[in-house]
Amino acid sequence: ETGVTQTPRHLVMGMTNKKSLKCEQHLGHNAMYWYKQSAKKPLELMFVYSLEERVENNSVPSRFSPECPNSSHLFLHLHTLQPEDSALYLCASSLGTSDYNEQFFGPGTRLTVL
Amino acid sequence: GQNIDQPTEMTATEGAIVQINCTYQTSGFNGLFWYQQHAGEAPTFLSYNVLDGLEEKGRFSSFLSRSKGYSYLLLKELQMKDSASYLCAVLDSNYQLIWGAGTKLIIKP
Repeated sequence: ETGVTQTPRHLVMGMTNKKSLKCEQHLGHNAMYWYKQSAKKPLELMFVYSLEERVENNSVPSRFSPECPNSSHLFLHLHTLQPEDSALYLCASSLGTSDYNEQFFGPGTRLTVL
Repeated sequence: GQNIDQPTEMTATEGAIVQINCTYQTSGFNGLFWYQQHAGEAPTFLSYNVLDGLEEKGRFSSFLSRSKGYSYLLLKELQMKDSASYLCAVLDSNYQLIWGAGTKLIIKP
């Protein structure tokens, strides 16, 4: 247990569906991250929130929409996804975003887009 | 551009030693991380190096050479539970983590 939980663990959705991924951290951290992990590729940073404000948005398509209502919760809203969006979506948290910042990861949501 | 290279897959025998290499070219350097990720699970922190040299932590050791842009993770007395992917990541000048694609380590009895 890393102190970061994600739900659901698995999700299958059609291209016209709308769904949301949820992440919760119980570590008292101030920064939260969404990553996309595809087979045999490096982790791709999607979004970073620090103290509930978005500080990074790495050219992610608008069909992915993050939400951070407080420092413990992070959501990723999904709509009209494409099959190439199928991947493992990892949430992480850290104490801050500057200096040494070990990131603690959740187990991920395995997303399949049909 | 920024780049992290590590072997895609390695195989080793239970009880043996294996070295997983990582080379990097990044915009600045504020440290290098190694994470372990078992299939279907969260990546978990193994080590952090910011100064040159070897850091030992039980059966695992991590080495860094900043001048060569090179690190390795050394695993001794391999156990079957060490079968996992090992991810190398560099903290760049903006304190953003740049990740390698990971090395899948297969341990055989």
